Amino acid sequence: SQQGEEDPQALSIQEGENATMNCSYKTSINNLQWYRQNSGRGLVHLILIRSNEREKHSGRLRVTLDTSKKSSSLLITASRAADTASYFCATHHRYSGAGSYQLTFGKGTKLSVIP
Amino acid sequence: SQTIHQWPATLVQPVGSPLSLECTVEGTSNPNLYWYRQAAGRGLQLLFYSIGIDQISSEVPQNLSASRPQDRQFILSSKKLLLSDSGFYLCAWSLGLLSDQPQHFGDGTRLSIL
Repeated sequence: SQQGEEDPQALSIQEGENATMNCSYKTSINNLQWYRQNSGRGLVHLILIRSNEREKHSGRLRVTLDTSKKSSSLLITASRAADTASYFCATHHRYSGAGSYQLTFGKGTKLSVIP
Repeated sequence: SQTIHQWPATLVQPVGSPLSLECTVEGTSNPNLYWYRQAAGRGLQLLFYSIGIDQISSEVPQNLSASRPQDRQFILSSKKLLLSDSGFYLCAWSLGLLSDQPQHFGDGTRLSIL
């Protein structure tokens, strides 16, 4: 089953507004990553937050992590039309008890920023 | 700087035909390599990953196979394509499964099976 689940599935906002996307997961993680995907393109890494961190900033992006609730949020401030894309959370976690780690992606939030 | 190339960008194939998708990475050595499939409006499903030459791990039973003949080359293949193999295939690389390094993706191959 999917480790990360984003909410909402789709979000439409006006340019200049803030966009908040949430991610919930099920098992212990080493870190949680957010990626962006423009239509028909590959994913681009945005930001990584470790399990011992609670908040991280990068430009207009703010990510929070609550390991007690197994949830994370991505906030994009002062959104622009160019922010229109799908956003995925991915959890880095131990896999199948075999000593290996994997990155498991959620289904994404489709963000539309209207000019 | 590191770059990742995938080709072709789009591919239309008949059912039962073979498949070969190629991915190459430049500017880094001994990367971990991954093949993902993304169905329309869905997340990414990990198909294969490789930690070194000829070291391939398969995540789901399927009609596909992967090979890594060189350090920075990763190939996804099928002998006979099924309709269910349609999708968007993404190759990615990272430095270390156990590290905090993110994955870097190619621009994908859109595969349509007729």
